[in-house]
Amino acid sequence: DTGVSQDPRHKITKRGQNVTFRCDPISEHNRLYWYRQTLGQGPEFLTYFQNEAQLEKSRLLSDRFSAERPKGSFSTLEIQRTEQGDSAMYLCASSLAPALAEAFFGQGTRLTVV
Amino acid sequence: SQQGEEDPQALSIQEGENATMNCSYKTSINNLQWYRQNSGRGLVHLILIRSNEREKHSGRLRVTLDTSKKSSSLLITASRAADTASYFCAYRLEGNTPLVFGKGTRLSVIA
Repeated sequence: DTGVSQDPRHKITKRGQNVTFRCDPISEHNRLYWYRQTLGQGPEFLTYFQNEAQLEKSRLLSDRFSAERPKGSFSTLEIQRTEQGDSAMYLCASSLAPALAEAFFGQGTRLTVV
Repeated sequence: SQQGEEDPQALSIQEGENATMNCSYKTSINNLQWYRQNSGRGLVHLILIRSNEREKHSGRLRVTLDTSKKSSSLLITASRAADTASYFCAYRLEGNTPLVFGKGTRLSVIA
C-alpha cells in the first residue's frame, strides 16, 4: 500500500496520560499536514511541515501538542497530559508542492480520552 | 473563522436522483476542492476547480465555482447507495496555505 498510513487506528487513554501518533506519508510528498476532526464537523488544521520544517501551527495547537517530522519522512504528533476534549479523529495528509495539489489522507487515528 | 460552510448539512435522496451540495467561503481563494469521507474513514479527493474556472466535470460529478459570490456547488447525478458519505469542500487561501475545510454535507442515498 503506497498511500498515507497512520498508526494506531484507535487509541483509548486515561486523562492525564501522554499519547503519540505516527503518520507515514506518500514517499515523494514533501508536505505533511495534521488535522483534527470531531463528530459532525469538518477537519480542522493543526500544523504542517514542508520536508522537516514545521511551517505553520494553528492556534488550536496548545502547548500540550507537539509535532515532529525528522528527516522529512514520517511524522509524529504527541499530546501530553491528555484531556477529555482531546477526544477526536486525528487525520494526517500529504501532498506535493501546494499550489494545485490535492491532499491524500490517511485513515486517521481515533483518540478517546476517558 | 475561515472555515467554509456547506449547505445543506444533511441530505437524503432516493437512488437515481441527483444530489446538489453547496459551499460558501469568506476570502479570496487559489482553488477549491471537494472531498468525500465515508463514516469513520479518511477523506478522498474528488475534484479540484481553479479560481479561473467556472465549471468542471468528472464522471457523475459536476462542480461549479462562482468567485463573485464566493460559492461552489457539487452535483452528483444518478446517485447510488454507494455515494452515501459526507462531502466537504476545501480551499487554499491565496498563497501557500493549508487546506481549509467546510463542515460538510452528510448525504444518504436510499436504495
